[in-house]
Amino acid sequence: EVQLLESGGGLVQPGALRLSCAASGFTFRNYVMNWVRQAPGKGLEWVSGISGSGDSTYYADSVKGRFTISRDNSKNTLYLQMNSLRAEDTAVYYCAKDRAVTTPYLFDYWGQGTLVTVSS
Amino acid sequence: QSVLTQPPSVSAAPGQKVTISCSGSSSNIGNNYVSWYQQLPGTAPKVLIYENNKRPSGIPDRFSGSKSGTSATLGITGLQTGDEADYYCGTWDGSLREWVFGGGTKLTVL
Repeated sequence: EVQLLESGGGLVQPGALRLSCAASGFTFRNYVMNWVRQAPGKGLEWVSGISGSGDSTYYADSVKGRFTISRDNSKNTLYLQMNSLRAEDTAVYYCAKDRAVTTPYLFDYWGQGTLVTVSS
Repeated sequence: QSVLTQPPSVSAAPGQKVTISCSGSSSNIGNNYVSWYQQLPGTAPKVLIYENNKRPSGIPDRFSGSKSGTSATLGITGLQTGDEADYYCGTWDGSLREWVFGGGTKLTVL
């Protein structure tokens, strides 16, 4: 059974935070992994994706230069380092497994999400 | 402003049919597969349709998808109150080199 467990969310002043997503139930290194966020009362916004090998990364324009996605295939864990956080980054952040190997294609499993609140 | 355009809301009576449109461009829908996601209140999204018109195992055939040119459509027949949710289309945009979602459509089953 595929399981994705996000952690690391919380209340943060404008600054930095690192999210983690522990994956199990599938061969982690074989799939693209993504972060998708949802601001309170708003729609889904794709944030970032990373290829199975970790060699290719993709970012939404809204986070480019501030967020960094990475993965540790030996630990079956996905990360999102978020720097220069702004109030508009406040959202539930979901980890989503992809069905593809190199480029985001289909989000077939989702975690339950972790809430990040940016407030001074 | 989302790259993919969906109606903010649709509604229909139980047992009826509804369609939700998703309009894009040649850089996204026109040249890539579309997937659809259902988000029930207070839960994480789940995939309903992938590769324009395929259903994952466990998704009833009341849900269908189609694509024509730069638009895609989700159809739901035999509406049930349990179908009340937000629905999102999504695809890869080759020009932006980003995944894009539609703004979402709230389905109300009256």
